[in-house]
Amino acid sequence: ELKVEQNPLFLSMQEGKNYTIYCNYSTTSDRLYWYRQDPGKSLESLFVLLSNGAVKQEGRLMASLDTKARLSTLHITAAVHDLSATYFCAVDPPLNYGGSQGNLIFGKGTKLSVKP
Amino acid sequence: DGGITQSPKYLFRKEGQNVTLSCEQNLNHDAMYWYRQDPGQGLRLIYYSQIVNDFQKGDIAEGYSVSREKKESFPLTVTSAQKNPTAFYLCASSLWGANTEAFFGQGTRLTVV
Repeated sequence: ELKVEQNPLFLSMQEGKNYTIYCNYSTTSDRLYWYRQDPGKSLESLFVLLSNGAVKQEGRLMASLDTKARLSTLHITAAVHDLSATYFCAVDPPLNYGGSQGNLIFGKGTKLSVKP
Repeated sequence: DGGITQSPKYLFRKEGQNVTLSCEQNLNHDAMYWYRQDPGQGLRLIYYSQIVNDFQKGDIAEGYSVSREKKESFPLTVTSAQKNPTAFYLCASSLWGANTEAFFGQGTRLTVV
């Protein structure tokens, strides 16, 4: 069974601090996605990581992918209150995973709260 | 504007009723998906469809049904067999191939009354 585990599940941090959210997955995949969800809202795509060693940055967020370690990280630099949200990683399972390509497997999400 | 439209935004169902959630996309995406989200949880896949007139069960398909008569539309019916339907339902679509980034609708919040 493909599992996607995020940690921490809850993160309270002060403005201006740095922190990293981790996403581990249990089978081979070289496609990983990060999404943001505000309370009661839909999911917004943040990053698409399609190869080993991929690194993408947008503002105070940077995502990376290590397919050999089956690990992706979402690094937050100098956090601000507007980053408060729940962040999900999702993995695209391989073709031999008993299903078809394209049905993403999601982690449980990391609820981030940035306090002044 | 291209996107995915879900309706209604809020839906109330009485015990024993079937209800249908609408999902329409104009992104020309081949694949469409329905996910369920419970409070404080991640997304769980209900059904997905790669092409018209074909769909596959996801991890929690029991008590749900879908159809895919048109590429643009993928309605989800929550039947009376679904014993705990109160949840947030998200529809998504994607291309089929190297980049399967999913784009999501705004969601439907279903409550049993």
